[in-house]
Amino acid sequence: GAGVSQSPSNKVTEKGKDVELRCDPISGHTALYWYRQSLGQGLEFLIYFQGNSAPDKSGLPSDRFSAERTGGSVSTLTIQRTQQEDSAVYLCASSLLGRGDEKLFFGSGTQLSVL
Amino acid sequence: GESVGLHLPTLSVQEGDNSIINCAYSNSASDYFIWYKQESGKGPQFIIDIRSNMDKRQGQRVTVLLNKTVKHLSLQIAATQPGDSAVYFCAENLDTGNQFYFGTGTSLTVIP
Repeated sequence: GAGVSQSPSNKVTEKGKDVELRCDPISGHTALYWYRQSLGQGLEFLIYFQGNSAPDKSGLPSDRFSAERTGGSVSTLTIQRTQQEDSAVYLCASSLLGRGDEKLFFGSGTQLSVL
Repeated sequence: GESVGLHLPTLSVQEGDNSIINCAYSNSASDYFIWYKQESGKGPQFIIDIRSNMDKRQGQRVTVLLNKTVKHLSLQIAATQPGDSAVYFCAENLDTGNQFYFGTGTSLTVIP
């Protein structure tokens, strides 16, 4: 597609429920990143996928968070047993990392609200 | 300026004036830096980047300056316009880590 697409744009859930957030990166981009942005804060790194390499999961805050990237394209971020502190904007970005152009292109994010 | 962990700094400028947004980055080994602009309800948008082998890079109405000695990055916006109102983030990248680390951001408000 023309840009990074994320869905849903907004998600309201109850504490304890599981949620899945989806990211469609720019076609051909080998690298995909998930970041979390709390209100008025910077971007917190969560996880990074690059090609067929093992993902860098060093930023995942707890084992309730997981992500996968199927077929080197679409990625899903799953949060199990959501807590109120999980409320934030979840941003996905992709890049042509390794092909001379490392800048990240971001989607508009998913606003997650845990009640 | 901005540093990870602080409340969002704010900057207000008159329309037509020049803006300077500062960033103190954390790792002396970082070799690639990007400035992003984030408008309300949107994802960050790329503005300009610079590699560590450069001190200055210019774009359209924007200039990025890099001072590796003091680990400082700045974004200069010439003739600031109302459409420039947004939160601006600097991001640093370590060649080996492939992660981008973002600062807290600076909120720029342009007064018409």
